[in-house]
Amino acid sequence: DGGITQSPKYLFRKEGQNVTLSCEQNLNHDAMYWYRQDPGQGLRLIYYSQIVNDFQKGDIAEGYSVSREKKESFPLTVTSAQKNPTAFYLCASTLGPLTDTQYFGPGTRLTVL
Amino acid sequence: QQQVKQSPQSLIVQKGGISIINCAYENTAFDYFPWYQQFPGKGPALLIAIRPDVSEKKEGRFTISFNKSAKQFSLHIMDSQPGDSATYFCAASSSGSARQLTFGSGTQLTVLP
Repeated sequence: DGGITQSPKYLFRKEGQNVTLSCEQNLNHDAMYWYRQDPGQGLRLIYYSQIVNDFQKGDIAEGYSVSREKKESFPLTVTSAQKNPTAFYLCASTLGPLTDTQYFGPGTRLTVL
Repeated sequence: QQQVKQSPQSLIVQKGGISIINCAYENTAFDYFPWYQQFPGKGPALLIAIRPDVSEKKEGRFTISFNKSAKQFSLHIMDSQPGDSATYFCAASSSGSARQLTFGSGTQLTVLP
């Protein structure tokens, strides 16, 4: 089955620790995105990547980092510099950077203890 | 300029009724307007989308109405069913922004049996 997988589904982190969220897609999509979702708010863009080895900051990139070494993978690291990291994180992809439809993964819920 | 404002925040409808969710935007460069449906703990799924060259698009019980001059668009769910109970997000993007989606804040729809 083609799609986007995110792991883990739930993640707990102690304050001061970095943590990496996985996002993998087998749709052969070029562009990938990371969003953060907080209760009562819409999705906010953290980072996006249009091609391998290239990525750009979104609206709320501070405290986060990404890499895009492979077309199918776009991991997100939540660093200790992110002041309020508890949230639901969603990864998405599109066929190309100018393609409209974004397909979303199932999400990872991160909780900082 | 990038905001998409969505209302209402929550909506309760009887089974068989019509659910209406409204969105307004400011950026006239937006040229793609999707609606996403999200169930608790899941990633958003594309429901229906419209471009500004048409004023209405219908897919089954779901209809988007688009008013370019007013910079508004709305989602109508006819014959609402309990299974439609979810959070709905409107969004917008433009080709000049690498198709980054700007999301509304979401509407939590509850359809009573």
